[in-house]
Amino acid sequence: DIQMTQSPASLSASLGETVTIECRASEDIYNGLAWYQQKPGKSPQLLIYNANSLHTGVPSRFSGSGSGTQYSLKINSLQSEDVASYFCQQYYDYPDTFGAGTKLELK
Amino acid sequence: EVQLVESGGGLVQPGRSLKLSCAASGFTFSDYNMAWVRQAPTKGLEWVASISYGGSNTHYGDSVKGRFTISRDNAKSTLYLQMDSLRSEDTATYYCARRSYGSYDYWGQGVMVTVSS
Repeated sequence: DIQMTQSPASLSASLGETVTIECRASEDIYNGLAWYQQKPGKSPQLLIYNANSLHTGVPSRFSGSGSGTQYSLKINSLQSEDVASYFCQQYYDYPDTFGAGTKLELK
Repeated sequence: EVQLVESGGGLVQPGRSLKLSCAASGFTFSDYNMAWVRQAPTKGLEWVASISYGGSNTHYGDSVKGRFTISRDNAKSTLYLQMDSLRSEDTATYYCARRSYGSYDYWGQGVMVTVSS
């Protein structure tokens, strides 16, 4: 199985700040990567697919980048509604595997 | 509007069975692969099973292979997960999700399954 190592596990940032979350795959996943946001008590919501494509309706302050085994999610100009947990997921090969998550809080 | 509504969760004893349902609306159900993804309390996400749009191809995670069965009824726009021989480690919120080119673009609200004596 492809292992997804996500960092950091938690993150504290101020409003307006830019934050970056990273995921490293145990092998090349050829941009088969998605990012999800999950707010407390809610279901996950797709943010980014194919490593860098913004899902419909997602604010443009979210962006994804990377290739090979290294990928990142960037949130520009952090808003209060961005407080959530974020997960990466590889779908290049079965089984789909997720990163352990990053909990983003406001400083 | 795409909607996925899960049902069928609850408290069940170890070794017993439970069947989850997911009613889909707002899109052509038979055009999409579907999946179940679960999340144990305060834990991360774990893919459980996937099924192709026609129902002929299924995939399972190692932790549920041989115990869980994913199926669908395209005439009813409904996805199912039959869970047999349940274990305490199956306790989780189970999400139904629409699979689009590998990622999950829409999720249900989730249904809780608790396996305990």
